[in-house]
Amino acid sequence: AQSVAQPEDQVNVAEGNPLTVKCTYSVSGNPYLFWYVQYPNRGLQFLLKYITGDNLVKGSYGFEAEFNKSQTSFHLKKPSALVSDSALYFCAVSLYNQGGKLIFGQGTELSVKP
Amino acid sequence: DVKVTQSSRYLVKRTGEKVFLECVQDMDHENMFWYRQDPGLGLRLIYFSYDVKMKEKGDIPEGYSVSREKKERFSLILESASTNQTSMYLCASRVGTGYEQYFGPGTRLTVT
Repeated sequence: AQSVAQPEDQVNVAEGNPLTVKCTYSVSGNPYLFWYVQYPNRGLQFLLKYITGDNLVKGSYGFEAEFNKSQTSFHLKKPSALVSDSALYFCAVSLYNQGGKLIFGQGTELSVKP
Repeated sequence: DVKVTQSSRYLVKRTGEKVFLECVQDMDHENMFWYRQDPGLGLRLIYFSYDVKMKEKGDIPEGYSVSREKKERFSLILESASTNQTSMYLCASRVGTGYEQYFGPGTRLTVT
């Protein structure tokens, strides 16, 4: 069965330090991979996606993610965290041959302290 | 900018009531989705629709139904609300497979 795992419920980072939010997936076939962010009492906002091509993808607000096929991972990164990055982050995977349905991880709460 | 709106931000209903959650998108997207979000479980797909009058069951369709009579509108119906349907409900739309989904602000439903 297809699945997405975000192994950390919470990540704590000091402002200005680099941040990483981890995501691993288990699917058959070639996945499409997405990262979304959710601020309190808001819907999800799209950050970035990997479909094909360069393994390092850049997205909104200075975020980037690295696709690693051998490790089946798609970790979200940012070189220098901001307090305003504090939010709930979701990784998601979809398969073209299943109509592109998204399967979400359980979410990781990112807390950036001044 | 894509805009997805949901009819209510907060809703309180009694057990056994019929509940309608409405979602409207303004970008002529083909595909629309309904999810529920629960702490520690992420988002789970309830139903989706690839086109007008088409619907497909997601991972947790039990106790729910949907209606898509117009391209821009996708309704989620709780036929007889139960307390275990207390949750955050999120609607989303996208132009097609492989494209990102755009989400509405969510409806926090409480069933008492």
